[in-house]
Parts: sequence; C-alpha cells; structure tokens
Amino acid sequence: GAGVSQSPSNKVTEKGKDVELRCDPISGHTALYWYRQSLGQGLEFLIYFQGNSAPDKSGLPSDRFSAERTGGSVSTLTIQRTQQEDSAVYLCASSFSGGPSPLHFGNGTRLTVT
Amino acid sequence: DAKTTQPPSMDCAEGRAANLPCNHSTISGNEYVYWYRQIHSQGPQYIIHGLKNNETNEMASLIITEDRKSSTLILPHATLRDTAVYYCIVRVTNDYKLSFGAGTTVTVRA
Repeated sequence: GAGVSQSPSNKVTEKGKDVELRCDPISGHTALYWYRQSLGQGLEFLIYFQGNSAPDKSGLPSDRFSAERTGGSVSTLTIQRTQQEDSAVYLCASSFSGGPSPLHFGNGTRLTVT
Repeated sequence: DAKTTQPPSMDCAEGRAANLPCNHSTISGNEYVYWYRQIHSQGPQYIIHGLKNNETNEMASLIITEDRKSSTLILPHATLRDTAVYYCIVRVTNDYKLSFGAGTTVTVRA
C-alpha cells in the first residue's frame, strides 16, 4: 500500500522567506510526527499529533515553526522567516495509536536555506 | 545518554546472512526493541520490532537474548540493496521522541 508521502522532496529558499512542507500519512494512521535530521546528525523530534488531542509541540525549536493537521490526515509544517540553520531534512512519520505500533517514515523534504 | 550500542560498521558478502548486533543492557521491562534502516537520501525504513520473543517477517529476523540485554538483527540473504545504516532503538509504547544513535553502516559487497 501507499506509504507516507512528503512534498516537495527538495526545497531551496532564500533566507527570510517562509516555507510550507506537506505530509500525507498512511491511511488509517491516527498519529503523525515531524522530525528533522541535519547532516550527519540524529533525529530531532519537532511535533506530534494524535487524533483530536492537542499536539505536543515541545520539540519545535522556535516560534518561527508551526504545524497543523487538517481533518486528522494531511499535515503542513510551516517555517517562517527561514534561517540558514533551518537547513535540514524534514521527516514526517505516521503510525496507528496505542500499543507498540512502529512509526513509518516518509522520504523527507530536503530544505536548503541560502 | 545512548540506550543502545552498535558497532559503527560492518561488511557483508552478497547472498550471505548479515548478523547485526545491538547491546541494550539498561533496557526496562516495558521497552521494545525496534530496528530501522536508512538508505542514503531516504527516510528511515521500519524493519522489525520485538519485546522478548524472537520475531521474523519478510525482511528480517530479530533474536532477543533471554535477559533482553542484547539482540541481533539477521538479514538472511543480503543483497546490494541492503547497504544502509541500521539503527537499533529501544522504546516504550507511545514514546515518540525517538532517539537514533549512530547506527551500524552495513556495506554489502558483491
């Protein structure tokens, strides 16, 4: 079946511009997660959505970052006034809720801020 | 503070079994062992997970020691497309703040 889909796959933007990254989770998955991975670094948790509950935003690095999930499905991660240090691969994952359900990741959006 | 320890790299011959070790000596009773891999320019790919029993699926087998302090991921017949970084993580149910360590870079050679 279809996996987690992310778009765009690559994004180059100028410093100071806003960007939107999109994630389409696996159908039926109620949990959705955003992470970022910098070159040679591990995963950094950003935000977690579970059903209709309030999202866990504790990983967002600054108030320039925000995310929403509409209709319990598609999610958009928005970065305002991008900075060079925002350059990274932004990964989205989804899973069933409850139990040890594994996370399934998309292939990410590679963001380059020039 | 890494919860798992893996060798940094290993080579494997194409067609042979690849046995990837992972130490998790401080694992708690409610933590599962998960394996993911990441091929260059792709997102992490889920492979398998287990609690205390050995598990097998179409991709791999997971052998967990009786004391649960270590595990081995077995790729039964490695192919060149299995070349990737393999991550072993321990996680309680619903823990989403995943922490991937450096993993093991596996190179499958023809």
